[in-house]
Amino acid sequence: AQSVAQPEDQVNVAEGNPLTVKCTYSVSGNPYLFWYVQYPNRGLQFLLKYITGDNLVKGSYGFEAEFNKSQTSFHLKKPSALVSDSALYFCAVRDPTVGSSNTGKLIFGQGTTLQVKP
Amino acid sequence: SAVISQKPSRDICQRGTSLTIQCQVDSQVTMMFWYRQQPGQSLTLIATANQGSEATYESGFVIDKFPISRPNLTFSTLTVSNMSPEDSSIYLCSVGSDRPNTEAFFGQGTRLTVV
Repeated sequence: AQSVAQPEDQVNVAEGNPLTVKCTYSVSGNPYLFWYVQYPNRGLQFLLKYITGDNLVKGSYGFEAEFNKSQTSFHLKKPSALVSDSALYFCAVRDPTVGSSNTGKLIFGQGTTLQVKP
Repeated sequence: SAVISQKPSRDICQRGTSLTIQCQVDSQVTMMFWYRQQPGQSLTLIATANQGSEATYESGFVIDKFPISRPNLTFSTLTVSNMSPEDSSIYLCSVGSDRPNTEAFFGQGTRLTVV
């Protein structure tokens, strides 16, 4: 069974400092990994994804994520945090098998609240 | 990316009643899903809404409690039936393709409070 873990409930950083939100995964086969952000009273917004290719993936709002197969991790990063980045972040994995009963389904991690302080 | 309109955005309902949530997409999509996000929790998939046939429910969710319709490729509804306070959650509609390398998109969610 596929699963995703986000070991930190909350991450606190000062504005201007680099941030990292951690995610580890457990999948059979090649992982399809995603990061989403949820602002208060809003739905989820897609940030970036890893399918194949370069281990460093760049996404929206200056975010990037590093895929590490040996550590089964897909940590979200940003070189310089903004107060407006404060939100709830979700890592998710998707079944890579086309036509299976799991096609299209996303399995989400527990979520990490990012707090960026001025 | 698809534009998803979800209605209502929030509601406060009496226990024992039912609420129907609508999800309208601005383009035809292959797959539509309904998720629940309980307070302070992650997202849990309720079901896959299948066009022209019965929805496919995840373990722990049943059709009598969460009937779903999907009459065409751009619209779906989720009904939360015979509500109790434990049903207080955010319900989110999601759309995507059956190609696993593509991202899913989400509506803004319906915040349901049952009193």
